Amino acid sequence: DTAVSQTPKYLVTQMGNDKSIKCEQNLGHDTMYWYKQDSKKFLKIMFSYNNKELIINETVPNRFSPKSPDKAHLNLHINSLELGDSAVYFCASSRRGSEAFFGQGTRLTVV
Amino acid sequence: DQQVKQNSPSLSVQEGRISILNCDYTNSMFDYFLWYKKYPAEGPTFLISISSIKDKNEDGRFTVFLNKSAKHLSLHIVPSQPGDSAVYFCAASARETSGSRLTFGEGTQLTVNP
Repeated sequence: DTAVSQTPKYLVTQMGNDKSIKCEQNLGHDTMYWYKQDSKKFLKIMFSYNNKELIINETVPNRFSPKSPDKAHLNLHINSLELGDSAVYFCASSRRGSEAFFGQGTRLTVV
Repeated sequence: DQQVKQNSPSLSVQEGRISILNCDYTNSMFDYFLWYKKYPAEGPTFLISISSIKDKNEDGRFTVFLNKSAKHLSLHIVPSQPGDSAVYFCAASARETSGSRLTFGEGTQLTVNP
């Protein structure tokens, strides 16, 4: 049973398109996150939701919009994709104050 | 502004020997430190953590040491095994102010040679 699962694993799309990445966790955690790993391999937080409420919103273009329909799901929608959006996006979840569990990542390639 | 730094991009050790991975941080608000291991095409996997009230935490072959005055932590793996070959990320959080938000270092690629 996968604890944090995200789909798709790979996503290749053209500039200007809109795409979504889905994430689900079955750990019963209250907090979910989106992290981005760029070409330099840095892992940086983008968003955090606690019980469906947005609590962290880093300096991310507003083309990126997270949506949490319930506390087990946190989806990431990206509008008007740009070449610089190419990266690996990781979903994660945790209990507050404890270690985060990560999904396998979604490698997004914008061409 | 890189608040968590891993200055060694790579480390190579012989099987059976000790691996020591280092991490430095600058934010004095950090009170919880973690190490993650990452294989290619997989997500980071939690390895071990330490609270700022401790200076050592041990779990099997893995021990994390924290030196708060130096703002330095290290991960010791002994004995090292070929399956330990992966990228190791140091991470930190300021739980009082930022909850579980993690700030990561840039990672160290560990290679354990048979």
